[in-house]
Amino acid sequence: QVQLVESGGGVVQPGRSLRLSCAASGFTFSSYGMHWVRQAPGKGLEWVAVIWYDGSNKYYADSVRGRFTISRDNSKNMVYLQMNSLRVEDTAVFYCARDHIVLVPAAIGGMDVWGQGTTVTVSS
Amino acid sequence: QSALTQPASVSGSPGQSITISCTGTSSDVGGYNYVSWYQQHPGKAPKLMIYEVSNRPSGVSNRFSGSKSGNTASLTISGLQAEDEADYYCSSYTNNSTKVFGTGTKVTVL
Repeated sequence: QVQLVESGGGVVQPGRSLRLSCAASGFTFSSYGMHWVRQAPGKGLEWVAVIWYDGSNKYYADSVRGRFTISRDNSKNMVYLQMNSLRVEDTAVFYCARDHIVLVPAAIGGMDVWGQGTTVTVSS
Repeated sequence: QSALTQPASVSGSPGQSITISCTGTSSDVGGYNYVSWYQQHPGKAPKLMIYEVSNRPSGVSNRFSGSKSGNTASLTISGLQAEDEADYYCSSYTNNSTKVFGTGTKVTVL
């Protein structure tokens, strides 16, 4: 079945780095843009980043631009989020999600498939 | 990019209809027909309920409908049911090729 499974979360000190992974299965991964979305404890959803289906373009929220990098490996059906210079305010559950429109060079669609989330805690 | 503005809470009795608003700007909601809505139950991942302002994914009840006027999008839930009690978020594509979510609305079924 169509599925996204995140991994890589954990507890990290401020200023350190962490890489999240998202494994996709059950669909033609290389045809879909992929997003990362986060949710701080007790707070709302915050969009983090998107990578186009072919990896040719990436866009970021202002709050993470310059610190986070989204990437993908279509041969492995994986999307990643490299997080550097982590801050306490980055503490959140991080979800990867699929953009539902295929083969479109933009992130215009709804996010129709979500993973279960992985928790990142930034604390000294 | 500022979050889209939603009411913090909306409530209704079973069987009633409720509407949740989502206000942005001409750079996001008003500029594109790429507004989507998500339902999130506690401890669960969000679920896509509406895409492209008014389209329902397969499997989503037709009690959920979406619309847009100017810089404000709306989600209407008709025939409110206990299972509809959840948090709801709107989202829009923006002129920076990014996405932005709304502040979220807690729906309570009285």
